Amino acid sequence: DGGITQSPKYLFRKEGQNVTLSCEQNLNHDAMYWYRQDPGQGLRLIYYSQIVNDFQKGDIAEGYSVSREKKESFPLTVTSAQKNPTAFYLCASRPPGGSNEKLFFGSGTQLSVL
Amino acid sequence: AQTVTQSQPEMSVQEAETVTLSCTYDTSESDYYLFWYKQPPSRQMILVIRQEAYKQQNATENRFSVNFQKAAKSFSLKISDSQLGDAAMYFCAYRRNTGTASKLTFGTGTRLQVTL
Repeated sequence: DGGITQSPKYLFRKEGQNVTLSCEQNLNHDAMYWYRQDPGQGLRLIYYSQIVNDFQKGDIAEGYSVSREKKESFPLTVTSAQKNPTAFYLCASRPPGGSNEKLFFGSGTQLSVL
Repeated sequence: AQTVTQSQPEMSVQEAETVTLSCTYDTSESDYYLFWYKQPPSRQMILVIRQEAYKQQNATENRFSVNFQKAAKSFSLKISDSQLGDAAMYFCAYRRNTGTASKLTFGTGTRLQVTL
C-alpha cells in the first residue's frame, strides 16, 4: 500500500541532544512538508521541499534542519538549538498537479524532552 | 502573510443535529484554495472538503458542505446529521495558487464534541 511512514511514533530527547525524525513516502510525490503541532496552536510549517536536493524554510525553521537526498525521504533533525521541542510532528506530501491537491499525512511523531 | 482564524476553540452538537464551524482568512490574493481537515483522536489528518476560490458554487461532500463568502473572506463548514464519528479537531487551511511553492497555512482548530 502506498503511503507516508513516520518513525518513531514516540521519541524522547535529552537536553543538548540532536534527534532525527524519519519520514518516508512511496507515493512518488515531489513535494514534502514538515509541520509542528502544539496544543491550541494548530499546525505550523517548519520546512518544505518541492524537489530532491532543494528545500525551503517555513514559518518556524529555527532549531531544525532537513535534507532531501532522495525523493522518498525527508528527515527532520531537531537540534539542541530548539529550546522547546516538545510537540507532535507531522510529515506530509503532495502529488503533482494543481494547488487544490490535498496533502497526504503520516501518522506523526510525538517528541518529548526528558 | 496569509492568516487563518478559527474563533471557536470548542463546539458541541447533538447526534443527528447540524453544526457550523467558522473560519476566516486574510489574503491579498484572488486565486487560492481552502480546505477543511479533520483530526480524530488517532491524530491522523483527513481531508474533509476543499474549495477553489474561483468557483462560486459551494463545495459539498455528503453530509459536509461549506459556505464560501469570498468578499467577506469567510469559509464555514456545515456538518449535517452529526454522527459520533464526527467528533474530532477540525482545521481550516489556506493555500494560494502559485503553482510551485504553495504551502498550506492552518488555523488553530475547533474541537467538536458530539453528544447523544
